[in-house]
Amino acid sequence: GQNIDQPTEMTATEGAIVQINCTYQTSGFNGLFWYQQHAGEAPTFLSYNVLDGLEEKGRFSSFLSRSKGYSYLLLKELQMKDSASYLCAVVDSNYQLIWGAGTKLIIKP
Amino acid sequence: DGGITQSPKYLFRKEGQNVTLSCEQNLNHDAMYWYRQDPGQGLRLIYYSQIVNDFQKGDIAEGYSVSREKKESFPLTVTSAQKNPTAFYLCASSPEGASLAYTEAFFGQGTRLTVV
Repeated sequence: GQNIDQPTEMTATEGAIVQINCTYQTSGFNGLFWYQQHAGEAPTFLSYNVLDGLEEKGRFSSFLSRSKGYSYLLLKELQMKDSASYLCAVVDSNYQLIWGAGTKLIIKP
Repeated sequence: DGGITQSPKYLFRKEGQNVTLSCEQNLNHDAMYWYRQDPGQGLRLIYYSQIVNDFQKGDIAEGYSVSREKKESFPLTVTSAQKNPTAFYLCASSPEGASLAYTEAFFGQGTRLTVV
């Protein structure tokens, strides 16, 4: 079967750095997305990785290792507004999106 | 402003009733999608449509129906055959006709359906 694993919940302090991991076992790989979703709202696009390495975009960075079936989202200089769920989604060999359950990030002052 | 509009945001229905969730987009996107989101689970695809008058079943289509008579609209009907309809429903669209695999998805604000 296909599986995406993310921690259910993480807590971090305002101003700090947090890394949210995503591991996957899928039938093939054609890219990985990260989305942010505030409670009761629409997910919004954060990043897309298809090649190994780190993609940096402001305070957010996303890393991919295809050989390890592993990605992480790195959030720097955390702000209270970063409290949200972070969804990892992998594109499989059939170009279908497989979604993780999401990681709820709680930011404390 | 361009975007995707889902209505209503909250919906309550009695068990055994059919209910239709609205999804409208003015982004001129070809493809539209319906997802269901439950606590502790990833988004699950119900139906998707790549062009007008055509749609395909997703992973959990049983108990749901859709139509795509206009490019801008993709309503979802939750029928009485759906055994556990209480959930958060998300509509999405993408600028490419092919698949969300190639591009970011634009999501609506969601409809929280509660069946009592």
